[in-house]
Order: sequence, then structure tokens, then C-alpha cells
Amino acid sequence: ETGVTQSPTHLIKTRGQQVTLRCSSQSGHNTVSWYQQALGQGPQFIFQYYREEENGRGNFPPRFSGLQFPNYSSELNVNALELDDSALYLCASSLGLAAIYNEQFFGPGTRLTVL
Amino acid sequence: TQLLEQSPQFLSIQEGENLTVYCNSSSVFSSLQWYRQEPGEGPVLLVTVVTGGEVKKLKRLTFQFGDARKDSSLHITAAQPGDTGLYLCAGLDQTGANNLFFGTGTRLTVIP
Repeated sequence: ETGVTQSPTHLIKTRGQQVTLRCSSQSGHNTVSWYQQALGQGPQFIFQYYREEENGRGNFPPRFSGLQFPNYSSELNVNALELDDSALYLCASSLGLAAIYNEQFFGPGTRLTVL
Repeated sequence: TQLLEQSPQFLSIQEGENLTVYCNSSSVFSSLQWYRQEPGEGPVLLVTVVTGGEVKKLKRLTFQFGDARKDSSLHITAAQPGDTGLYLCAGLDQTGANNLFFGTGTRLTVIP
């Protein structure tokens, strides 16, 4: 148990729809990162939020957006869903920014299927 | 995009055998981490290596960071069924960005 929870566990959507995934970080962790893990692949960095502001972004289009709230919860929103968006979405919280000094604690993920 | 290639992609061994997993890149990383991920869970950090040539041991697991900080290896001695899982290496680049670049993963199965 990492203390990081995600909801829902599984989700099925159709192409073109929008989806919101939620993450609850460990208390006190002001940094949250989101990753996409396609089947059989390693996670790919989507973006990171620090104190409610985006602090870095991977190679994902603008239809992937996020929010971080003061209560250590965060959201990942994906608009205009495509079939290739089907993946496990992971959030990871950490106490601070520097990944080398601040372990990222991962949630169990949300499995998104786009039909 | 920094690419971290892991080999082998799949590995199935008998309990008690030894194994080595490799993580290679053409890019230099300021540090490298190894994670294990089990079905239905997120990755869990095993170790962070920072210095080129560094070797770290965690019980039966030995981690090494290459001298040039472009590659790493994970060696497991006397593998046990509890070692079964997806092993991921992840590099932190030298630009100071705080995101991790994950490798392609090695799926290990240890047969009792």
C-alpha cells in the first residue's frame, strides 16, 4: 500500500468522448505526476503538477490536461478520446520536485478502454 | 525523447536460478532507478543509483550503474517465485527535469 489511490479502477469509453480520472495523493505530497502505460510497455510521462501548477509535460497533445487541488487530489482529463488512448493511467505523488531525492509513490492505476 | 531499452523482454526461469536484466540507452542520465510492478498495482521503487560505476545490493538483488551512466543491470541471485513481476528501469535526465523516462520493461516469471 502506497497511500495513493485512483478512481475508477476500470473505465470503458467510446471514441470521441471525454474522460476524467482521479488521484488522491499521500497527505503532504505537493507533487503529482501522471503516466500512461500501454499494454506491454513501460510508463510514459504525461505531465507533472507542483502546488497546483503544471511543472513539466511529456510528448502528449493538449487534449490531455490536468488539475491539482489543495487537498492533495488531482485529475487527468482527456478530450476527444482515440483508440490509442487505451492504456493504464498511473498517478504518482512525491514530497517534492527533485525525483532523485523524492521517491514517487504510484497508485494502482485506472485501466481505460476506448472502443 | 530518451529511449531506454531493456533486455530480455521476457524471462522465465526455475526457482533457484540466477538472472540478469539489462537496461541500455544512448543518452546519459544523472541517475537511474529500478522498479518492480505486479499485476493490478503501480510500480514500486527498488533502488536509485547515482554515480557511474556504482553498485548497490538489496538482499539477493544487485544493481549496477554503468561507468558512462548510460546503462544499468539488475542481477538476481537464487530467484524465488515472489520475484515474479515486471521490472522497469527509469532514468532521470541531466537537464534537471523531474520526470522519469521508463524503459520497455522485463517481465520475469519464476517457476516454483
